[in-house]
Amino acid sequence: NAGVTQTPKFQVLKTGQSMTLQCAQDMNHNSMYWYRQDPGMGLRLIYYSASEGTTDKGEVPNGYNVSRLNKREFSLRLESAAPSQTSVYFCASSEEVSQYFGPGTRLTVT
Amino acid sequence: EDKVVQSPLSLVVHEGDTVTLNCSYEVTNFRSLLWYKQEKKAPTFLFMLTSSGIEKKSGRLSSILDKKELFSILNITATQTGDSAVYLCAPLHGSGNTGKLIFGQGTTLQVKP
Repeated sequence: NAGVTQTPKFQVLKTGQSMTLQCAQDMNHNSMYWYRQDPGMGLRLIYYSASEGTTDKGEVPNGYNVSRLNKREFSLRLESAAPSQTSVYFCASSEEVSQYFGPGTRLTVT
Repeated sequence: EDKVVQSPLSLVVHEGDTVTLNCSYEVTNFRSLLWYKQEKKAPTFLFMLTSSGIEKKSGRLSSILDKKELFSILNITATQTGDSAVYLCAPLHGSGNTGKLIFGQGTTLQVKP
């Protein structure tokens, strides 16, 4: 069991470039989440998906889109990256309450 | 507006000391409160508390929730250098099958040998 996996681990983008962060889980969980974590702050929810085929906005959705491709995979897309999106991004999944986190993607936008 | 405040923000102790980390919250549709430990990478789950006054224990760590006063504490006794981490408190709120976590800013604990 790999748990929650994320790719890539690191990425540097220039302002205006686009990219997709990938997340997959092998625990057969229904719910999946995307968070960002900035220095000195806790994790903030960007988007979540309660089940395959549904997505909802979290606390900080602006500048992002998501896609729940199937039960296993939940991707996060930045259409036009901005320096304010420099952060560490975590994907998580859950079946009931406890959320299990991936190792994170460190994204820098210059 | 939903709010989670952890204190202290950072703490430096020596091995063998006991520490108490605090979390106060104001959230709508509160369901439970979770504690996570974050070392260098992803947060890892420690406890989930749903009822007031029932202490959860795991080895040297214990936690309790007060739903009337809206706070939780995490105690670590006989601290070790491996306890050095950021400890995150996260109330779960919302209805239905998917609850949403709101994370506090974390308490950074450093345990010196």
